[in-house]
Amino acid sequence: EPEVTQTPSHQVTQMGQEVILRCVPISNHLYFYWYRQILGQKVEFLVSFYNNEISEKSEIFDDQFSVERPDGSNFTLKIRSTKLEDSAMYFCASRQWGTSTNYGYTFGSGTRLTVV
Amino acid sequence: GEDVEQSLFLSVREGDSSVINCTYTDSSSTYLYWYKQEPGAGLQLLTYIFSNMDMKQDQRLTVLLNKKDKHLSLRIADTQTGDSAIYFCAEIPNAGNMLTFGGGTRLMVKP
Repeated sequence: EPEVTQTPSHQVTQMGQEVILRCVPISNHLYFYWYRQILGQKVEFLVSFYNNEISEKSEIFDDQFSVERPDGSNFTLKIRSTKLEDSAMYFCASRQWGTSTNYGYTFGSGTRLTVV
Repeated sequence: GEDVEQSLFLSVREGDSSVINCTYTDSSSTYLYWYKQEPGAGLQLLTYIFSNMDMKQDQRLTVLLNKKDKHLSLRIADTQTGDSAIYFCAEIPNAGNMLTFGGGTRLMVKP
C-alpha cells in the first residue's frame, strides 16, 4: 500500500536554529498538508498546498514557517528560527482530489521535533 | 470555529466491546473520521462516515452518527490488546479541505 514517508523521525535542534522537515507524499496525490501535535494536545492543521502554492494556512503558520515542493517528489516544512514552543510531532499528509468517498488522506509517521 | 471533543480515556477488558464517543460543532461537516495512533506511530485511518449516513459497519468496527445531536461514536467489538492506542475523531467541513481533530481518546485494553 502506498505510504507517505517522513524524515527524520526525530530531530533535536537548538533554539534559534533553522530546521527542515521532509516528506515524500504518495506519487499521484495532488494535495499536501502539514499538521502538528504538541505533546498532550490536539492535532492541529498548519498548512495545505496545491498546485505549487499554499491553499490554506492556520494562524499557527506565521512568517517563521514556509513550505516548498522543490522537486516532483518532496514536500518540505521549514521553520526559520525555532522556538521552544515549536517542539511537537509534525505530520505530513497527502490526498487525491475527490476520487474516493473518503477524501483519501494518508498521513506519514511523523517527525518529532525537540527544540532545546 | 469548529470544535471536536472526546473523552480522554477508556479502559476495557479484552473481549469486551469498546465505545468511543465524539461530539462536534460544525453542522456542515461532510465526512467524519476515526484515526488510530499507536505509540510512536502516525495517524492510521480506521474508518469514515459520510454525513448522510447513520451507521457504517466494517468488520469489528461500527460507526454511529447522530447528526441532530452532532454525536459520533466508534464501537470496537471483541476488543483486543492490539487495539490499545489513541483514537482520534476528525471532521472535514463542507467548505474546506482540512481536518479538524478531537483531542483523542486513549483506549487501554486489559488482558
